[in-house]
Amino acid sequence: AQKVTQAQTEISVVEKEDVTLDCVYETRDTTYYLFWYKQPPSGELVFLIRRNSFDEQNEISGRYSWNFQKSTSSFNFTITASQVVDSAVYFCALSDANRDDKIIFGKGTRLHILP
Amino acid sequence: KAGVTQTPRYLIKTRGQQVTLSCSPISGHRSVSWYQQTPGQGLQFLFEYFSETQRNKGNFPGRFSGRQFSNSRSEMNVSTLELGDSALYLCASSPPGNEQFFGPGTRLTVL
Repeated sequence: AQKVTQAQTEISVVEKEDVTLDCVYETRDTTYYLFWYKQPPSGELVFLIRRNSFDEQNEISGRYSWNFQKSTSSFNFTITASQVVDSAVYFCALSDANRDDKIIFGKGTRLHILP
Repeated sequence: KAGVTQTPRYLIKTRGQQVTLSCSPISGHRSVSWYQQTPGQGLQFLFEYFSETQRNKGNFPGRFSGRQFSNSRSEMNVSTLELGDSALYLCASSPPGNEQFFGPGTRLTVL
């Protein structure tokens, strides 16, 4: 069975600090996708990244970076120099690469960036 | 391109009633998925439609159903509403093999 665990329910940091959101997943599939989504107070899920299980390269996009480690089944997300606008709930998710329209979400981490 | 639209945005119903929610995908996207989000259970996959056919289904009772029209618009229906059906219902559309784009959701309150 597939499962995504985000152990951090809620995190608060002061603006400009770096923050890492943890994600650990379980799957028996050999090929799969990992995702991160952001959900601001408006409720709409905003896609951040999709990573194929064959691609373990870390990725950086502006202040965002992702560390994918297959050996520990983790896909952690780091925000550098956090800003108040980063405050949101962040979801890590997983799907079978052959059925990527069925996404299994973690419970989410609520991130508060304090001014 | 316009994003995924969902109507209505807010809905209040009473137990035992039925409700229909609508989702219009991004133009050109043929896959539409539905999710339920509650504080207790988080985000859960309901079902996915592609070319008017249900391709995937989550673990929800038969009271939850959906359909997709030839223009890719989709509706989901919940019959005999229960208090526990109160949730944010999210719709997502995607082109084949690509990431999903989510709509703003319909917040359903069952009294």
